[in-house]
Amino acid sequence: NAGVTQTPKFQVLKTGQSMTLQCAQDMNHEYMSWYRQDPGMGLRLIHYSVGAGITDQGEVPNGYNVSRSTTEDFPLRLLSAAPSQTSVYFCASSHTSGRADSQYFGPGTRLTVL
Amino acid sequence: TQLLEQSPQFLSIQEGENLTVYCNSSSVFSSLQWYRQEPGEGPVLLVTVVTGGEVKKLKRLTFQFGDARKDSSLHITAAQPGDTGLYLCALWGHGNKLVFGAGTILRVKS
Repeated sequence: NAGVTQTPKFQVLKTGQSMTLQCAQDMNHEYMSWYRQDPGMGLRLIHYSVGAGITDQGEVPNGYNVSRSTTEDFPLRLLSAAPSQTSVYFCASSHTSGRADSQYFGPGTRLTVL
Repeated sequence: TQLLEQSPQFLSIQEGENLTVYCNSSSVFSSLQWYRQEPGEGPVLLVTVVTGGEVKKLKRLTFQFGDARKDSSLHITAAQPGDTGLYLCALWGHGNKLVFGAGTILRVKS
């Protein structure tokens, strides 16, 4: 099992550019989510999905779109990048959103917006 | 609004010392998870506590869930450089959202 994979590992964008951060898991997990991590602020939830075809907003959804057409993939799209979106982005998955389920995290994508 | 408050924000200690980090909320929660994150990697689950007053041990790490289920602590005995990392607590908030605290950065010097 590869677990949760993310691509790319690093990305530099100019303000206004768009891009998609890829996330895939091979554990047949129903629940997937995207977080951003900034110094001193822990992990903040951007969007999440409880299954294919179902997505919902987290704490900081503005400027980001997601879709979940398959169980395995959960891409995050930045429509028009802004310097405030410079961050490290983590994708995570779990079997369900049950209270004892472990979130499995990918290695992260470090994004810089100039 | 920060659902979870972690303290201290940063801790630097010598190898062999003991330490405790805390996670508090103004709300009662049904369960709480502790994660550890090393530089350049994603967080990894250490433990889930679900019962008020529960104590769980993981080698030199001891996790406690407060009786009122509004706080939790992580105690490390005889810290080692390999314990260095960011320690995060998390809980499932309203809906299907896992919410994290800001974390405690631990540095253990040899």
